[in-house]
Amino acid sequence: QVQLVESGGGVVQPGRSLRLSCGASGFTFSNYAMHWVRQAPGKGLEWVAVISNDGNNKNYVDPVKARFTISRDNSKNTLYLQMNSLRVEDTAVYYCAKDPRGHHTGTLDSWGQGSLVTVSS
Amino acid sequence: EIVLIQSPATLSLSPGETTTLSCRASQSVSSYLAWYQQRPGQPPRLLIYAASNRAAGIPARFSGSGFGTDFTLTISSLEPEDFAVYYCQHRSNWPYTFGQGTKLEI
Repeated sequence: QVQLVESGGGVVQPGRSLRLSCGASGFTFSNYAMHWVRQAPGKGLEWVAVISNDGNNKNYVDPVKARFTISRDNSKNTLYLQMNSLRVEDTAVYYCAKDPRGHHTGTLDSWGQGSLVTVSS
Repeated sequence: EIVLIQSPATLSLSPGETTTLSCRASQSVSSYLAWYQQRPGQPPRLLIYAASNRAAGIPARFSGSGFGTDFTLTISSLEPEDFAVYYCQHRSNWPYTFGQGTKLEI
């Protein structure tokens, strides 16, 4: 059974950094693209970034480009999101999600429970 | 960026009723559209992919249709657990985007 567990969230001041992790189990992690999607409190869903199964292809949405970095360690079955220069508007629950293919299709067939990031002074 | 508009924003219904949710894209997304359900305090769950294909384990009362710019999600004989927020999402090109959601309430 697919399991995705996010960690690393918390309260951080504007301009600081935070790294989220997503531990994967129940499937062959290295075979699948992975995504980060976020949800601001009481709001809808917003894509953040995607990475291919081998880590060679990455895409980011404009609001996080040049500030966030998605990466993965297939030997550790772990997905990461390095978030730098955080802004108040980055406050959200961050979900990691699995793609059904190695090169991302944009379908999210399994989701973690999410990790809350609060950016506040 | 493709914008997805969902309507209505909120639907008030009763268990046993049938309902149709709408999603309209600002330009054609072919059949590259999915639907997700999100219950309170839970992550989203994939219901429908490629406009009309039910994901694994999704009951047959959920069905999707549409192509191009207009899509619908139909839920037949609403069960109490179906009262949630529903999002459409396209994967036609990057950036993938979600609609703003339709809340189904009792």
